[in-house]
Amino acid sequence: ETGVTQTPRHLVMGMTNKKSLKCEQHLGHNAMYWYKQSAKKPLELMFVYSLEERVENNSVPSRFSPECPNSSHLFLHLHTLQPEDSALYLCASSQDGQGRNEQYFGPGTRLTVT
Amino acid sequence: GIQVEQSPPDLILQEGANSTLRCNFSDSVNNLQWFHQNPWGQLINLFYIPSGTKQNGRLSATTVATERYSLLYISSSQTTDSGVYFCAAHPPPLNSGGSNYKLTFGKGTLLTVNP
Repeated sequence: ETGVTQTPRHLVMGMTNKKSLKCEQHLGHNAMYWYKQSAKKPLELMFVYSLEERVENNSVPSRFSPECPNSSHLFLHLHTLQPEDSALYLCASSQDGQGRNEQYFGPGTRLTVT
Repeated sequence: GIQVEQSPPDLILQEGANSTLRCNFSDSVNNLQWFHQNPWGQLINLFYIPSGTKQNGRLSATTVATERYSLLYISSSQTTDSGVYFCAAHPPPLNSGGSNYKLTFGKGTLLTVNP
């Protein structure tokens, strides 16, 4: 248990579906992150929120839409995805976003787009 | 941005053996972390070590920031140590006073420990 939870753990969706991934951190942190891990590739940072404000959007297609309603919750809304979007999506949190503290990761959502 | 390279990419050990994993990074760092990813995808924090040496049980890590590398030592390896080990580095805030939020991961070392 890292203090970061993610739901669902597994998701299969068609290219025309709309779904959302949820992340919750119980650590009192102020920064939250979405990462994508594809097969044979390093983890790629997608989005960063610090104090509920998006501070980094790492050239992610608009079919991925993040939302951070408060410092404990982070969502990733998905629509009209492509099969190449199938991957493990990991959420993380840290005390701040400046790299002075550890990042802690959730267990991930394994997404399959059919 | 910062480049992170890990070696070796794959490592196979017999149970009980020792090993050293290496992480090279291309720039100064504010944060250097080692993670173990289990077969279910969970990233487990091993060390937060931007400099110096730390030990936790059979694992230890050393970062020599001036020479831009970090080492992870695994002693008396067990089958449960199998998985992918990632190093990740975070550069300091930008010189302009802005922020730099990117933790950059290496490609990992796939460790297999056989009984």
